[in-house]
Amino acid sequence: DGGITQSPKYLFRKEGQNVTLSCEQNLNHDAMYWYRQDPGQGLRLIYYSQIVNDFQKGDIAEGYSVSREKKESFPLTVTSAQKNPTAFYLCASSIEQKANVLTFGAGSRLTVL
Amino acid sequence: DAKTTQPPSMDCAEGRAANLPCNHSTISGNEYVYWYRQIHSQGPQYIIHGLKNNETNEMASLIITEDRKSSTLILPHATLRDTAVYYCIVRVRAGGTSYGKLTFGQGTILTVHP
Repeated sequence: DGGITQSPKYLFRKEGQNVTLSCEQNLNHDAMYWYRQDPGQGLRLIYYSQIVNDFQKGDIAEGYSVSREKKESFPLTVTSAQKNPTAFYLCASSIEQKANVLTFGAGSRLTVL
Repeated sequence: DAKTTQPPSMDCAEGRAANLPCNHSTISGNEYVYWYRQIHSQGPQYIIHGLKNNETNEMASLIITEDRKSSTLILPHATLRDTAVYYCIVRVRAGGTSYGKLTFGQGTILTVHP
């Protein structure tokens, strides 16, 4: 079945460490997105990419980095510069013709110890 | 994007219809209404969207008022599995830099009880 796979599902890291979250899709979608969700809150856009080798900052990009070397993959690195990295991270994708119909992955929960 | 207002929580009995309201009084003529839901600790799931006509699919119905200032998502026969946070989002359809950049507010927590 087509879908989005995020890994790992749970991740613990020490302060000062960078960590990379994986997002892979086999839907042949053009665009991919990373959102962050804090407890009891809505989703906030971190980064998005409409095509390979191009990406744009969202509303809260500071302390994060991404790459889009392949259409299927959009990894997110949470750097040590991110002040409050503990959160639920969600990856999504969409096609241009239905750009606002996003397919989401199951999420990755990052906890900084 | 137009701002949306949703009640923070609602209850519904299993088997009954769940009617979730959304106000979007500043909606523009080219903005669509989208609904998503998020079951606890999962990724959001797209439900339905519409411009001005009522829409129905296998999951739900969307009723948009004639002046388009509000809408209602209807789950005709709610089940316990429909317990989730429901998000109403107003957004222009695809194009240019507005490509899929959705703003998810706090939504409505729908609790379906036996």
